[in-house]
Amino acid sequence: DAGITQSPRHKVTETGTPVTLRCHQTENHRYMYWYRQDPGHGLRLIHYSYGVKDTDKGEVSDGYSVSRSKTEDFLLTLESATSSQTSVYFCAISVHTSGGALDTGELFFGEGSRLTVL
Amino acid sequence: AQKVTQAQTEISVVEKEDVTLDCVYETRDTTYYLFWYKQPPSGELVFLIRRNSFDEQNEISGRYSWNFQKSTSSFNFTITASQVVDSAVYFCALSEAPGNQFYFGTGTSLTVIP
Repeated sequence: DAGITQSPRHKVTETGTPVTLRCHQTENHRYMYWYRQDPGHGLRLIHYSYGVKDTDKGEVSDGYSVSRSKTEDFLLTLESATSSQTSVYFCAISVHTSGGALDTGELFFGEGSRLTVL
Repeated sequence: AQKVTQAQTEISVVEKEDVTLDCVYETRDTTYYLFWYKQPPSGELVFLIRRNSFDEQNEISGRYSWNFQKSTSSFNFTITASQVVDSAVYFCALSEAPGNQFYFGTGTSLTVIP
């Protein structure tokens, strides 16, 4: 158990409304990620964070913003939700076994947040 | 360009058959990491294995085995004597160091028929 909690787990909203998904971790890991999963596309990276207030864009970042004001929380915001953002969103942390800068640890995922935009 | 390709979208096998899931990756880095994840029907993503680019040893874990070949940029996953509980979507992933971005394939949906 990597101690990752996503909230809400399910949300239905209307086009044009703002939505924030929260990812909370309990183990102080540096790297956190937001992915979306869609049929035929697998998992695609939206944004990731490598420390407090340090974030970067992934391959599908348009329409999304993130914030990380504390190590344990990584927030994903849809400023104005669209139907194309209907998806399952996964938060993940990267667990580094050696702690070295070049060491890529495996990802551990939260349980996912299913978002439906009507 | 797709960094990780899983050409098999769906596979069906009869229980106890062996099945191999293919994964081909693309990278210019000399140091990189490869992963396999399982997503059962319940939806969670489960880490199965990580392999470093400098370690080409194949690995076996129970009924699971992984064949890493740098010469063909492949990291294939074989399930021996498949069981119904193996039914899931399997994802192959690549991470290039440094940067820690992970690139996932589109997944292979495996159905094991009893």
